Amino acid sequence: GESVGLHLPTLSVQEGDNSIINCAYSNSASDYFIWYKQESGKGPQFIIDIRSNMDKRQGQRVTVLLNKTVKHLSLQIAATQPGDSAVYFCAENFPRNTDKLIFGTGTRLQVFP
Amino acid sequence: GAGVSQSPSNKVTEKGKDVELRCDPISGHTALYWYRQSLGQGLEFLIYFQGNSAPDKSGLPSDRFSAERTGGSVSTLTIQRTQQEDSAVYLCASSRDGRQYFGPGTRLTVT
Repeated sequence: GESVGLHLPTLSVQEGDNSIINCAYSNSASDYFIWYKQESGKGPQFIIDIRSNMDKRQGQRVTVLLNKTVKHLSLQIAATQPGDSAVYFCAENFPRNTDKLIFGTGTRLQVFP
Repeated sequence: GAGVSQSPSNKVTEKGKDVELRCDPISGHTALYWYRQSLGQGLEFLIYFQGNSAPDKSGLPSDRFSAERTGGSVSTLTIQRTQQEDSAVYLCASSRDGRQYFGPGTRLTVT
């Protein structure tokens, strides 16, 4: 069935560099997207969300970009820090008019000093 | 304020035994979700409660799995006659505005 997926299972970056984590979704009717961060042994933690009426949303050191034309979502982390090392999941709200989320398989971000 | 809590944090059980996992959602959150996460994998949806509506059980993998939500708050996920393939982390989340907040999970090991 339709699903959310990720291009890269593992991303390694040097401390201080910017990170970009990508996600492709296939439910064109989805109108709400979320990025979660999951550290080892913990539950997923909300990072940032975006609705389909926006192309970009910024938080503290993070930016989410939404390209509805190609059904692509990305998470940008500025000045990546060791504490950013975790698995990152994108999720889409589907079906609409519910609170259900479909999660991608996750990308592991490794930050090297 | 208090987040989503789950208990126990770890559970080791013998194959064939029943287990109960508990979730305390954030106060005031009307929606509650259960997910399963196998090692190194993504989140597998199990069941979803929304207010007083009938739960969405479409993700439950077999009839050995069931869940209840009493009084619109605490939820219990029950797995009967556990199998080794049930070993995973079971995550609970609650939401009010679509943004789901997760608990720390219960790590279940079936020996």
